[in-house]
Amino acid sequence: GQSLEQPSEVTAVEGAIVQINCTYQTSGFYGLSWYQQHDGGAPTFLSYNALDGLEETGRFSSFLSRSDSYGYLLLQELQMKDSASYFCALGGATNKLIFGTGTLLAVQP
Amino acid sequence: NAGVMQNPRHLVRRRGQEARLRCSPMKGHSHVYWYRQLPEEGLKFMVYLQKENIIDESGMPKERFSAEFPKEGPSILRIQQVVRGDSAAYFCASSPGPKSTDTQYFGPGTRLTVL
Repeated sequence: GQSLEQPSEVTAVEGAIVQINCTYQTSGFYGLSWYQQHDGGAPTFLSYNALDGLEETGRFSSFLSRSDSYGYLLLQELQMKDSASYFCALGGATNKLIFGTGTLLAVQP
Repeated sequence: NAGVMQNPRHLVRRRGQEARLRCSPMKGHSHVYWYRQLPEEGLKFMVYLQKENIIDESGMPKERFSAEFPKEGPSILRIQQVVRGDSAAYFCASSPGPKSTDTQYFGPGTRLTVL
């Protein structure tokens, strides 16, 4: 089967940089996605890595290393509105997403 | 362009009743995915449908749960004879295609409470 592990909680201060890690076990996948979810609302797509390396989208960047079965989401210039849950997800052949356990990010002033 | 729409947003059922959850994908999207989220947990894949076809139902419980996506109208997730363990948030997502590079856009979810 497939499984993804994330830290349950991360705390950072406004303006700082924070990294949310994701380690996974799978026999194969097409890419690693990241989603943000505020207070149980609709998950919002942030970033996608099909290949190893860094993808940058504004204040958010995501990294994937297939050889290490590892990825991370990097958030820069943290804002209070970034307080939310963040999920990594593996995408398979039918594009179904297998989600990680989620990381609750708390941004403090 | 309206996003993914789900209704009802909140649904309360007594044990043994039926729950019907509706999902209208984004305009132009013909691929629909259903996920379930228990409190304090991640989303769990349930089923993937295209118009009139179930493509992948590997995450669907074998009994009481069914899904459809008719040629006309929204996708429906149906839960028969609900039990308390069915209480969860049910999200649907839609995408323009089946490839892993086709982003899934999520609706606001239906929160089902079984009394």
